[in-house]
Amino acid sequence: QVQLVQSGPEVREPGASVRVSCKASGYSFSNYGITWVRQAPGQGLEWMGWISGYNGNANYQQKFHDRVTFTADTSTDTAYMEVRSLSFDDTAVYYCGRDRGPLTPEGIDYWAQGTLVTVSS
Amino acid sequence: NFMLTQPPSVSESPGKTVIISCTRSSGGIAHTFVQWYQQRPGRSPTTLIYEDSQRASGVPDRFSGSLDISSNSASLTISGLEAEDEADYYCQSYDSDNLVVFGGGTKLTVL
Repeated sequence: QVQLVQSGPEVREPGASVRVSCKASGYSFSNYGITWVRQAPGQGLEWMGWISGYNGNANYQQKFHDRVTFTADTSTDTAYMEVRSLSFDDTAVYYCGRDRGPLTPEGIDYWAQGTLVTVSS
Repeated sequence: NFMLTQPPSVSESPGKTVIISCTRSSGGIAHTFVQWYQQRPGRSPTTLIYEDSQRASGVPDRFSGSLDISSNSASLTISGLEAEDEADYYCQSYDSDNLVVFGGGTKLTVL
């Protein structure tokens, strides 16, 4: 069965970086993409971007373009998201999801459990 | 880019039918596919509808998606409401540059 498992909760100080992993299993990684979404406390879902499991191409929401990097390791079927220069506003639950599109984002069909990233001094 | 506008909240009684709208601010609603997601309190989102009206695997047929071209909106209809349907619901689409947009979410209360 399709499964996506993310790494555990993280606490960082302002200005630091964080990397979250998303391990996929139960399907052919290169036939799909991975979408990253975040949710601040009490807020709605915010799309951060998408990466192709096929060729590693990525799309980023403009506000994250300079601070966020997605990577996909096809040898381990794991996607990574790195966020740099963290601020208090980055405190959120970060979700990865399997995207139906291997070449462009088409929507998430399976979601992971989420990773809480807390930015605190 | 465009926005997707949802009502902040809706409520209805068990057994009834509720419709949640998602209005696109610019560009045709049929221009790109719409997806719908459910998020129960304290849980990860799950996918209900993809490609406007296709139910995701395991989703009961009480849930259906549709488009209304005249109002440039998509709708999620939930019939035979159950207590477990109480959740936040989000629509999602994307633009011609393959950038994804989420609606602000609708909180469904089952009275």
